[in-house]
Parts: sequence; structure tokens; C-alpha cells
Amino acid sequence: ETGVTQSPTHLIKTRGQQVTLRCSSQSGHNTVSWYQQALGQGPQFIFQYYREEENGRGNFPPRFSGLQFPNYSSELNVNALELDDSALYLCASSGGTSGEETQYFGPGTRLLVL
Amino acid sequence: GENVEQHPSTLSVQEGDSAVIKCTYSDSASNYFPWYKQELGKRPQLIIDIRSNVGEKKDQRIAVTLNKTAKHFSLHITETQPEDSAVYFCAASRSWGKLQFGAGTQVVVTP
Repeated sequence: ETGVTQSPTHLIKTRGQQVTLRCSSQSGHNTVSWYQQALGQGPQFIFQYYREEENGRGNFPPRFSGLQFPNYSSELNVNALELDDSALYLCASSGGTSGEETQYFGPGTRLLVL
Repeated sequence: GENVEQHPSTLSVQEGDSAVIKCTYSDSASNYFPWYKQELGKRPQLIIDIRSNVGEKKDQRIAVTLNKTAKHFSLHITETQPEDSAVYFCAASRSWGKLQFGAGTQVVVTP
């Protein structure tokens, strides 16, 4: 298993609510990428954070936002939840002084929007 | 942007046979190609990766080949075992960039 952790593991929200998901990167990694994985599909890139700055964004609306903290952990915030936001949200860490390019995934947060 | 296509979507093999999954990509600047295995309800786990300066890479029963000219890469699993049953995803990216994933291949290995 990787050293990447995520919380919570599961979450149920209703339409219009807001949610915050958390990710702790693997020791030594300074880059966190977030992905949305709908049922039966491949992960879709949301955005990437490198040294506390957004470093690339996928085709997701502004209500998807994020943060990275000095310890390189990260949050994904989603406002005004929609039914289609129901998915597995994965974070992946990489980078660091070794320049590790491989992205190691956390276990994910499964979000259900009712 | 990058687009990755993956085939087949499902693959059934007899235990001991080989399995091959193929992916094509569109962005000629992509230079990193990982393969992930995802078991039901679990995180994607890297099984092998290849960079654009290498044509082939092997790790025990798993191998990946890359054809930069044709912009396609393939995963080969030999001597398949029931524990190889999972969904396999290919991906492509530029250096340290976002991973663009294929749609996945459900591999079922029957004893």
C-alpha cells in the first residue's frame, strides 16, 4: 500500500451542499493531484497542486476548488453539489526531492449526492 | 488536449494464457505511460510504467511496449493467474503533468 491517505472514506450529501475532502501525501512528496472516478470509468483529472500552488486544471467548473498546505497535504472543495458529482474522488501524490514522477493513489473518498 | 483510447473493454482469458491490452494516445508530447491495476473497491495501483526513451520494459510476468511513431503502447501479462483479475487502466502524461486515463479493461481470468 502507498503512504497516501484520504478522509473521509464515505460521504453522503444532498444537492446544493458543500463538501471538503482531505488528502495526506506520501512522505517526501510535494505534489498532489486530484481525480474524479465515476462508476465504470477511468479517473478524470481535476487539478494538481505543487508547493501550495495550482499547477494545472482539468475540465471541471470553478465550484471545484482546492488547497495545498505547507506540509503538502491537500483539500478538495466542491460547492453547490450536483447529482453528477457522485463518484470516487482520488488523490495521488508524487514529486519531492527525488523527482518521483509516479503518482501514488490514496484509497479514495466515495461521495454520494442525493 | 490528450486523448487516450483503450481496447478491449473486457478480456476473458484462461488461467495460464496471455493477456494483451492496447492503448493509443493523441498528444505527441506525452512522454510517460503508466499502467494501473484497480481491484473492486480499491485504489489504482501502479504495476508498470514506461518513458518515451524506452521501447519495452519487463517486470516478471508483466511487460509494456511503446511505439512512439504510431503513438500506441500495450500491456502484456503472461501466465495469467486468477489474482490478475481486475480493471486495468493505461494513462499518458507529459512530464509530471496530469495523467490522462483510458476507459479501462476488465480482465477476468478463469481457472
